[in-house]
Amino acid sequence: GAVVSQHPSWVICKSGTSVKIECRSLDFQATTMFWYRQFPKQSLMLMATSNEGSKATYEQGVEKDKFLINHASLTLSTLTVTSAHPEDSSFYICSASGYTDTQYFGPGTRLTVL
Amino acid sequence: GESVGLHLPTLSVQEGDNSIINCAYSNSASDYFIWYKQESGKGPQFIIDIRSNMDKRQGQRVTVLLNKTVKHLSLQIAATQPGDSAVYFCAEATGRRALTFGSGTRLQVQP
Repeated sequence: GAVVSQHPSWVICKSGTSVKIECRSLDFQATTMFWYRQFPKQSLMLMATSNEGSKATYEQGVEKDKFLINHASLTLSTLTVTSAHPEDSSFYICSASGYTDTQYFGPGTRLTVL
Repeated sequence: GESVGLHLPTLSVQEGDNSIINCAYSNSASDYFIWYKQESGKGPQFIIDIRSNMDKRQGQRVTVLLNKTVKHLSLQIAATQPGDSAVYFCAEATGRRALTFGSGTRLQVQP
């Protein structure tokens, strides 16, 4: 139980394009979803927290107009990287929690912007 | 949360030995702590958690110890196996807030 999936697992795009990453909780209802970013050899850094049906809360330094987050249902949250640039290349990981505090992580999406 | 580190500390152990990975956390208000295992190119995998009203919790081959006095968390892995090789992160949270991750420790198991 408590499986979280992400799609795609990897994506390569051209600079200036937008990329959408999906995060799904497969067997539980995720009242809260979190988006993290991880650069090579570094730890996970929280980007934003989203609750179903409400606007996401972004961490300081994360541009909300660049990283659009939608949590439209209890099983799906999406992160759209708009006008991507090479410095946005990273490993994006979502996590989801239901009615307990435990966060379950997705497998991550590796974004490479050329 | 923030965690910075370009060079992960590494713990190298022999197969079959016990491993102890340590973590110092920063927020005295944190009441929930988790250990995650991350293999290369994959998302973090939940190992074990503990709440602040406990000081020890055991799982299968793993034990987490919490010392709130010195804000220290440790993960003990018994009979370490090659498949345990990965980066291990501790994380802390207050209530249902997002996790703050530590900088990670790389565990290398020598056969």
